[in-house]
Amino acid sequence: EAQVTQNPRYLITVTGKKLTVTCSQNMNHEYMSWYRQDPGLGLRQIYYSMNVEVTDKGDVPEGYKVSRKEKRNFPLILESPSPNQTSLYFCASSSSGVYNEQFFGPGTRLTVL
Amino acid sequence: AQSVAQPEDQVNVAEGNPLTVKCTYSVSGNPYLFWYVQYPNRGLQFLLKYITGDNLVKGSYGFEAEFNKSQTSFHLKKPSALVSDSALYFCAVRRGGGSYIPTFGRGTSLIVHP
Repeated sequence: EAQVTQNPRYLITVTGKKLTVTCSQNMNHEYMSWYRQDPGLGLRQIYYSMNVEVTDKGDVPEGYKVSRKEKRNFPLILESPSPNQTSLYFCASSSSGVYNEQFFGPGTRLTVL
Repeated sequence: AQSVAQPEDQVNVAEGNPLTVKCTYSVSGNPYLFWYVQYPNRGLQFLLKYITGDNLVKGSYGFEAEFNKSQTSFHLKKPSALVSDSALYFCAVRRGGGSYIPTFGRGTSLIVHP
């Protein structure tokens, strides 16, 4: 089954404790991205990657890091989480080309205390 | 800069009635427009998109959307709503010419009453 998986689905942590949210897709997609969803703000892109070893900032990259060492994986790293990073996070993938629709993971709900 | 507006936070409709979820956009160049649906505790699912050609686009689950260039709108429609259509709907735009940062609207909650 074609899918995007994320882990963990739920995470409660404390300020400053480094964490990684994993994302993996099995569709051989070139393009992957991370979003955060906040009430009243919709989805905002954090980082995206157009292929292996190619990443770029989205609209709200501050406080986040990403890496793309393999085509299928695109982890999101929070080196020193803060309470304002409490949010619902989605990973997405698509074939290259701005006209292609994205496939989204199930989401990771992160709470930073 | 590109932007998307979904002017209604919530749309209420009775089952069996037609529904419309509104979306307007602003982008320089040719727009690529998308609708996604999010059911509770799930990720977004693609519904339909406009790239070029026919202004009326048909998608999944009986949904369709009409691209109107002069009004810069891309409203989502369905002739007969189902209770199971109740969900959060997002409109998104990407700019033709290579921008890989899509802009999403804030979302519209559709509630279909039995």
